[in-house]
Parts: sequence; structure tokens; C-alpha cells
Amino acid sequence: AAGVIQSPRHLIKEKRETATLKCYPIPRHDTVYWYQQGPGQDPQFLISFYEKMQSDKGSIPDRFSAQQFSDYHSELNMSSLELGDSALYFCASSPRTASGNTIYFGEGSWLTVV
Amino acid sequence: DAKTTQPPSMDCAEGRAANLPCNHSTISGNEYVYWYRQIHSQGPQYIIHGLKNNETNEMASLIITEDRKSSTLILPHATLRDTAVYYCIVRVATGDYKLSFGAGTTVTVRA
Repeated sequence: AAGVIQSPRHLIKEKRETATLKCYPIPRHDTVYWYQQGPGQDPQFLISFYEKMQSDKGSIPDRFSAQQFSDYHSELNMSSLELGDSALYFCASSPRTASGNTIYFGEGSWLTVV
Repeated sequence: DAKTTQPPSMDCAEGRAANLPCNHSTISGNEYVYWYRQIHSQGPQYIIHGLKNNETNEMASLIITEDRKSSTLILPHATLRDTAVYYCIVRVATGDYKLSFGAGTTVTVRA
């Protein structure tokens, strides 16, 4: 079965640079979620989108922005990168159905800021 | 979202059943109990979820108490590949409600 696809899988950036992560949800899933997981930490919710509109927002820095496109893929843009942004970033997707909408995660994108 | 409480760690012998407890005493009537696991640095993997009835799938069984204030995830025959952090999360199962990860249980399966 198709899964959530994230790219790139690994990314190395310097401080103050910009990074963009991409997420392709499972087909027919219309909701996308972004999570950040720092070293030794649990995944933390950043932001979510439903039908191309932001639906919920967590602890996402102002330097970060995200959007969902007409084909439902999503991009997380991170600017003015800091060393503390080094983390594993997960994208997840779910269908919005009345009978339950299990969330499925991608394998993540490793961002290293040097 | 309601909060959950899980033991920080537990060991299990390979081939034996692993019983993972979770307390969710403030769960609301429309919230489901979800279980995910995360094998080191991989994406969280969905295991099972339930509302009030016991559930079973090819990975695990979920036992929810009648008052819904606690639940137990059962891995019937643990293997070394089941070593992971297991998260118990309560969540409304409709709409676009997010998953909020708390401190899970680190399960180590030993040969």
C-alpha cells in the first residue's frame, strides 16, 4: 500500500540558511500534519492542513511556514535556520471520514543545521 | 486532548506476551484510544485503536476497561523487532484532530 512520502530524507544546511521539506500524503488523504522530533524527544506537533487550509497550529516557530497545495502535497519552509532546528521532521496524513481517520506517518526528513 | 500515563520502560522476553498499560482517566466520551510505536528514528507506526470494545488486529490486541479510564495493549508473541517506544494517545477520531505524543513506554524485547 502507498505510504506517506517525504523528501529529502536527509538535508544539511548552514545556520541562517533556508530549507524546504516536502510531503506527499497517501492517495485520497486530504489532511496533512507536520511534526518535529528533536534528539531524545517525543514528536511535537507543528501544524496541520485540511483541504489546503491551515486547520491547527502547534509550537511552530515564526521562522517556519507551511502550505498544502491543490494536489494535497505539503511543504514546510524553514528560514533563518538555527542549530536547534536540527531534528527529524515527520509528515503524516489522514482521510477526513466520519468513520474514523487514522493518521499515518512518513519515514521523516533528517535536518542537520551546522 | 486528554492526557495519558504510561510506565517509562518495560522489558519482555522474546516469544512471550507483552502487556503495556495506559491510564487515561480524563478521556472524553468521543475520544478513542490509539496506540502507535516508534522504532528508533523511524516514523511512528500505527498499531491499533478503539473506543470501548476490545479490538484485535494482526499486530496486537487492545483491552479497554469498562469505565474507559485505562487500557492495555497486548503484543501476543513479542519479537526482537518489537523493541520500540510505544505511545498511548487519546484522540477524537473524526475531523482533523492531531495526535499529541506524551512520554511513551520504551519496550525492550530480550532474547
